[in-house]
Amino acid sequence: DGGITQSPKYLFRKEGQNVTLSCEQNLNHDAMYWYRQDPGQGLRLIYYSQIVNDFQKGDIAEGYSVSREKKESFPLTVTSAQKNPTAFYLCASSQPTIRGGYEQYFGPGTRLTVT
Amino acid sequence: QKEVEQNSGPLSVPEGAIASLNCTYSDRGSQSFFWYRQYSGKSPELIMFIYSNGDKEDGRFTAQLNKASQYVSLLIRDSQPSDSATYLCAVNSLKYGNKLVFGAGTILRVKS
Repeated sequence: DGGITQSPKYLFRKEGQNVTLSCEQNLNHDAMYWYRQDPGQGLRLIYYSQIVNDFQKGDIAEGYSVSREKKESFPLTVTSAQKNPTAFYLCASSQPTIRGGYEQYFGPGTRLTVT
Repeated sequence: QKEVEQNSGPLSVPEGAIASLNCTYSDRGSQSFFWYRQYSGKSPELIMFIYSNGDKEDGRFTAQLNKASQYVSLLIRDSQPSDSATYLCAVNSLKYGNKLVFGAGTILRVKS
């Protein structure tokens, strides 16, 4: 079964703690992405990676860190420096198509609550 | 001006009607266009993509692209209550590399 998995589905943390969200894909996609979605809001790009051992900041990278040691995995760490970490976190992956676009597919998401 | 704009809605249509969702984009170099459906509390699901001017049909869904007007739309025929969701428009261009730029989404409510 090909797809993207994210774990855990729900995560609760105390303020001041770092937390790492998992994202794994078996679609053999080169590119992976992390988005944040707040209630009633659109998607905001946190970080993305085009290949292993390389990643770039998105629009809201402050307070977050990532690694890309394997093609299949792109974990996101939400650090204590992130001022408003409570949100729905979505991981996605994509591969270029013969038509020239990048069709992105999403994992099921992790809902993080920090109190 | 936002790069991808959608009316936030909610758009309410009766069951069986055609729902028309619209999206405009600012980058004339945009090449590929995507529609995602997102149910409340779930992740976005890719339902349509279109690369060329004109219409593309898939079941009850039709995507329409007009690059001259920088406009892409999604028509849902015979709307069902199960179509009630937020629909996100996304655009890719060489300017964005392999990133997609998403609109904020339109909430669709289909009333039975």
